[in-house]
Amino acid sequence: EPEVTQTPSHQVTQMGQEVILRCVPISNHLYFYWYRQILGQKVEFLVSFYNNEISEKSEIFDDQFSVERPDGSNFTLKIRSTKLEDSAMYFCASRSARGGTDTQYFGPGTRLTVL
Amino acid sequence: LAKTTQPISMDSYEGQEVNITCSHNNIATNDYITWYQQFPSQGPRFIIQGYKTKVTNEVASLFIPADRKSSTLSLPRVSLSDTAVYYCLVGGWDTGRRALTFGSGTRLQVQP
Repeated sequence: EPEVTQTPSHQVTQMGQEVILRCVPISNHLYFYWYRQILGQKVEFLVSFYNNEISEKSEIFDDQFSVERPDGSNFTLKIRSTKLEDSAMYFCASRSARGGTDTQYFGPGTRLTVL
Repeated sequence: LAKTTQPISMDSYEGQEVNITCSHNNIATNDYITWYQQFPSQGPRFIIQGYKTKVTNEVASLFIPADRKSSTLSLPRVSLSDTAVYYCLVGGWDTGRRALTFGSGTRLQVQP
């Protein structure tokens, strides 16, 4: 069964450093998403991406964040200057191009720890 | 998006049927009801989705009354591995841009 993959599984970084989280969505999907989950809290939407541009973003997704689809398979989330409060699990999700009720499929997540 | 309300936690024993009810009084006409499951340190996993009446798959059943203001996820004969957080989400999926809005979910603890 196709699945969303994410690398790395765990990233430790120093405050102020840049990090890039990588995702490989399911191959025939065209809608891509990033969510995050701070330990013990809700899953929060960050950004959605379609047709090489951001479709929607939340208040969390400020100028420190950016997304990119550099090639036909990868989808990345970059945090330019990490803060302690960026420590969380980051989940990538993808959805097929069909309309209607298609669901989002989530990756296993990247645990980001900012020291 | 319609707000959902579900119990914070539930306890059960192996082999029992578990029913988790979600209230969504403000559900819109084009909204679907979707349930996700999340294990610790893993991404949410789609379980089941429905619009009205009853939907069943190999994992669960979803019961939706005629007024659609609530829904019940039914897990038959749970096992220890069903211990997880279960999220009820309501939204119209007419556009692929729609982000998912997760609530706090229901933490199900299955004991031997």
